[in-house]
Amino acid sequence: GQNIDQPTEMTATEGAIVQINCTYQTSGFNGLFWYQQHAGEAPTFLSYNVLDGLEEKGRFSSFLSRSKGYSYLLLKELQMKDSASYLCAVTDSGYALNFGKGTSLLVTP
Amino acid sequence: IAGITQAPTSQILAAGRRMTLRCTQDMRHNAMYWYRQDLGLGLRLIHYSNTAGTTGKGEVPDGYSVSRANTDDFPLTLASAVPSQTSVYFCASSDSLETGGYTFGSGTRLTVV
Repeated sequence: GQNIDQPTEMTATEGAIVQINCTYQTSGFNGLFWYQQHAGEAPTFLSYNVLDGLEEKGRFSSFLSRSKGYSYLLLKELQMKDSASYLCAVTDSGYALNFGKGTSLLVTP
Repeated sequence: IAGITQAPTSQILAAGRRMTLRCTQDMRHNAMYWYRQDLGLGLRLIHYSNTAGTTGKGEVPDGYSVSRANTDDFPLTLASAVPSQTSVYFCASSDSLETGGYTFGSGTRLTVV
């Protein structure tokens, strides 16, 4: 089985930087994903890490340390539209993803 | 438009009734999944199919069944609905982890009363 932990809620100010952490314990590892989900909508893909290190994509970056079972999603220059839930997901084999419970981010003016 | 279509968008269902949630994709993805999403519990895998003709059980399969007769369709059936199956159901498909993992449908909001 898998255990994926991330904070339940976070609040940050518009224009600031926020880091959302995710720790996981899996019997195997085939990649870690971050998804964004706005209220009432389906999740949308943000990032994929399979090797250690930082992946940067515009205002969003994702980091992975496989030895520590740890990842973070970094959001820079926060905008009001970034208020959403952020889901960490891990696959240990094949394509099936196991999701954490999600982090609800509120961006305030 | 390429993607996943789920139907219905929402449904109120009497307990004990049978219900099939429909999911169709036009991307020719081999793998398809059904998740339920509940407040405080996140997305939990119900059933999956790695390729047409095969299915497998996820984390919370009890009370649900699936079939995969062809590549495009992956219906989820509740044989006798119970109130604890009130949830938002998402269908997803995938072909390659590197290209973004899953494509999700827009979801079905099911209320069992």
